[in-house]
Amino acid sequence: KQEVTQIPAALSVPEGENLVLNCSFTDSAIYNLQWFRQDPGKGLTSLLLIQSSQREQTSGRLNASLDKSSGRSTLYIAASQPGDSATYLCAATQGGSEKLVFGKGTKLTVNP
Amino acid sequence: NAGVMQNPRHLVRRRGQEARLRCSPMKGHSHVYWYRQLPEEGLKFMVYLQKENIIDESGMPKERFSAEFPKEGPSILRIQQVVRGDSAAYFCASSLGQKETQYFGPGTRLLVL
Repeated sequence: KQEVTQIPAALSVPEGENLVLNCSFTDSAIYNLQWFRQDPGKGLTSLLLIQSSQREQTSGRLNASLDKSSGRSTLYIAASQPGDSATYLCAATQGGSEKLVFGKGTKLTVNP
Repeated sequence: NAGVMQNPRHLVRRRGQEARLRCSPMKGHSHVYWYRQLPEEGLKFMVYLQKENIIDESGMPKERFSAEFPKEGPSILRIQQVVRGDSAAYFCASSLGQKETQYFGPGTRLLVL
C-alpha cells in the first residue's frame, strides 16, 4: 500500500529565497508522481508530472526530481514570490493503478 | 479549452437527503477520477471511471455512494441518505489516458446539516 509523506508541514520564507519541498513514498512501483498547488478554498493546479522513467521535470521557476530507489521526490522553487504562497501537494500513483495517493501537503508562506 | 467543470460548487443537504455531484471532464478526456478531502485531512481516492465503465472503486464507501460516467453527459457522484460525516470537498479529475496528468476541477463543497 502506497503512503506519501511531506516534510515540512509548513514553511515560511522571505521573498526571493530558493526553497525545497520534500516528498517521500513507500512503494517504488509507481507510474508517475505529480506535484500540485492548492489555494485556500480552491481546487488543485497541476504543476509538474514526472513519469517513472524520468529523473526530473522543469517548468519555469519550478524543478521536480524523482528518485525511485530511495522513494523521494523534491520540488525546488527558485526566487520565491508572495504569489507562490499556497499548499503544495505531492501525489504518487499506487503500484499498478491510476489512483493517486496524496501527502498532506506543505503550506508555504512567502513573505514580502 | 475549458478545464474540468464541477457543479454545484457548494451544496447544502439535510441528513437523509440525497446529494448529486456533477463533473464534466476536459474536452477529449475519457478518464474521470473522484477524490474526497475531509476537513483537516488529505485527499483520498474514491473511484476511477471510463465511459460507461467503473475501472477502480476501491476507495468508495461500501454503502450509499455510487458513481457513473455515461456515454453522454457528465460523470455523477451520488450520495444517498447523507450523514454529517459526508461533509467534505469532493474533487473530480480527468485525464487523456492512462499514466497521464490528472487535471482537477474546482471541487464541490458539501455541507450536511
